[in-house]
Amino acid sequence: DARVTQTPRDKVTEMGQEVTMRCQPILGHNTVFWYRQTMMQGLELLAYFRNRAPLDDSGMPKDRFSAEMPDATLATLKIQPSEPRDSAVYFCASGHGLAGTDTQYFGPGTRLTVL
Amino acid sequence: QKEVEQDPGPLSVPEGAIVSLNCTYSNSAFQYFMWYRQYSRKGPELLMYTYSSGNKEDGRFTAQVDKSSKYISLFIRDSQPSDSATYLCAMSLIKAAGNKLTFGGGTRVLVKP
Repeated sequence: DARVTQTPRDKVTEMGQEVTMRCQPILGHNTVFWYRQTMMQGLELLAYFRNRAPLDDSGMPKDRFSAEMPDATLATLKIQPSEPRDSAVYFCASGHGLAGTDTQYFGPGTRLTVL
Repeated sequence: QKEVEQDPGPLSVPEGAIVSLNCTYSNSAFQYFMWYRQYSRKGPELLMYTYSSGNKEDGRFTAQVDKSSKYISLFIRDSQPSDSATYLCAMSLIKAAGNKLTFGGGTRVLVKP
């Protein structure tokens, strides 16, 4: 049963620390998305990649967030330095970048708490 | 104002009742409309998608799209406690899992036995 995996599942850190979240997309999917979910803002798209190249990162605070795909099996989202307002659940999703397909598969999320 | 609006709920119904959920949107260019279900501490999973205006039925679930009113709905018949979750609507300009979705804030549903 193919699925998106994310690590860590939970992360508690102190303000100012670096946080790295990792995602393994489903094998064969060429598009990877990073979302952030909070009670106030709901699910927001931060950035997405196709064939490992960034397509859109306009939803991401550029000064502290960075997203990369070192290879086709790994996507990372880094926050440096972290702030309490970054506390949220961060989801990775993957899908086929082909017209006619309809499903983005979400991972279980990383619950980040910044104290 | 957000592009996609959704009542956060919670919506509480007795088991067996019909659950009615809806979203309104402002961007008339949206063509594909989806409903995701999200259980507590899980990622969203796709329930249904529809293209343009019309109805689509899948088991106990019916999705409706009215593009003239910029309004979409999801109905759950014979609701079960296992339907208790947050339901998010999502929309995109084109049909491709590799394209960005715009989500509503989600409606929390509680089906009581």
